[in-house]
Amino acid sequence: DQQVKQNSPSLSVQEGRISILNCDYTNSMFDYFLWYKKYPAEGPTFLISISSIKDKNEDGRFTVFLNKSAKHLSLHIVPSQPGDSAVYFCAASAESNYQLIWGAGTKLIIKP
Amino acid sequence: DADVTQTPRNRITKTGKRIMLECSQTKGHDRMYWYRQDPGLGLRLIYYSFDVKDINKGEISDGYSVSRQAQAKFSLSLESAIPNQTALYFCATSDSHLNEQFFGPGTRLTVL
Repeated sequence: DQQVKQNSPSLSVQEGRISILNCDYTNSMFDYFLWYKKYPAEGPTFLISISSIKDKNEDGRFTVFLNKSAKHLSLHIVPSQPGDSAVYFCAASAESNYQLIWGAGTKLIIKP
Repeated sequence: DADVTQTPRNRITKTGKRIMLECSQTKGHDRMYWYRQDPGLGLRLIYYSFDVKDINKGEISDGYSVSRQAQAKFSLSLESAIPNQTALYFCATSDSHLNEQFFGPGTRLTVL
């Protein structure tokens, strides 16, 4: 039973346009959410996070939106650049337990 | 300089062999983790350690064991490797007060 789901295995976006990656979760105890980016032959690297007390967090070209009622979060990348081509993982944790539960990842391809 | 290192980076072994994967970190973090990644499944937690004297099973600990030799070192052992343990293995660390985890580059293990 996957508690964190990324239903799109891949996404292709034109360079300069907006990339929107989605993530759904089922556990209402999750209160902290993170996005990681992974290039081939490397480990995941932290990108951006959001606490459940917020509904938006922005860092440069990256914005994460959280909709608690829908148990849904999304990562927006604007504008998309070729270096953004990677696999993006959504992860969630509960304050009572710092273990991260991971989604399966979405492969983002930025087309020139 | 790599903050989290893993050795070996690649390993091919045969069924029944004992294998040890090693992880070292220079970040000074208390918490260390071992994950495996399989295609379409994201990262799954095998074991984690909150300090040298603390070892905990994760979601998929069967067939694995770990040793926390020092704050900076956390090794994962497969006592008798089997083909379905073929996967990409990641070590990660985190500060005890933060959720963000920092990953090593991964070890690709193939069990024939």
